[in-house]
Amino acid sequence: GENVEQHPSTLSVQEGDSAVIKCTYSDSASNYFPWYKQELGKRPQLIIDIRSNVGEKKDQRIAVTLNKTAKHFSLHITETQPEDSAVYFCGPGDSWGKLQFGAGTQVVVTP
Amino acid sequence: EAGVVQSPRYKIIEKKQPVAFWCNPISGHNTLYWYRQNLGQGPELLIRYENEEAVDDSQLPKDRFSAERLKGVDSTLKIQPAELGDSAVYLCASSPGLAATGELFFGEGSRLTVL
Repeated sequence: GENVEQHPSTLSVQEGDSAVIKCTYSDSASNYFPWYKQELGKRPQLIIDIRSNVGEKKDQRIAVTLNKTAKHFSLHITETQPEDSAVYFCGPGDSWGKLQFGAGTQVVVTP
Repeated sequence: EAGVVQSPRYKIIEKKQPVAFWCNPISGHNTLYWYRQNLGQGPELLIRYENEEAVDDSQLPKDRFSAERLKGVDSTLKIQPAELGDSAVYLCASSPGLAATGELFFGEGSRLTVL
């Protein structure tokens, strides 16, 4: 089965700095690479995703980059704000609709 | 438009008791997922339905867990009997596609505490 690892498990950044979270996966059949954000006590919500035919995607302050050869993809958050504090999950998926989530990265943005 | 609705939001039971969770997906969404999320962990897939068919239940502990999605809309997840280790948040999610990869829309979850 798919083995998904996220690093780091916790990340503390100063407001305005950048944050980068890396997700490593094992299944070469994975072709869909989303990132979800879960605020405390709330439901996970998709913030950005990328498919295997694209190397990078950007949406305002967040971006995702994919390295299929090395089997990892990363979430980049620039100009971090306090509302970016949350747990972020990666969840690589395959063509059959199976997603496996990583253990999550707790991001704390300090003013 | 209403999102994914789950009930109950919270449930406290003693071990060996049964418990059931209900999920109403977004209208028109064919695919429905049940995930279990332990404290400090990512969601773990229990079962995935496409319409009324369970297409992936490989991680469902079938000795005590059961699920159904009659008529391909609402779904229930049952645990009988519950064990201490079942304490977790049970998340339901739906997506519009069949065997497609795309956004999952999660419900608020049902938090189970087994004493």
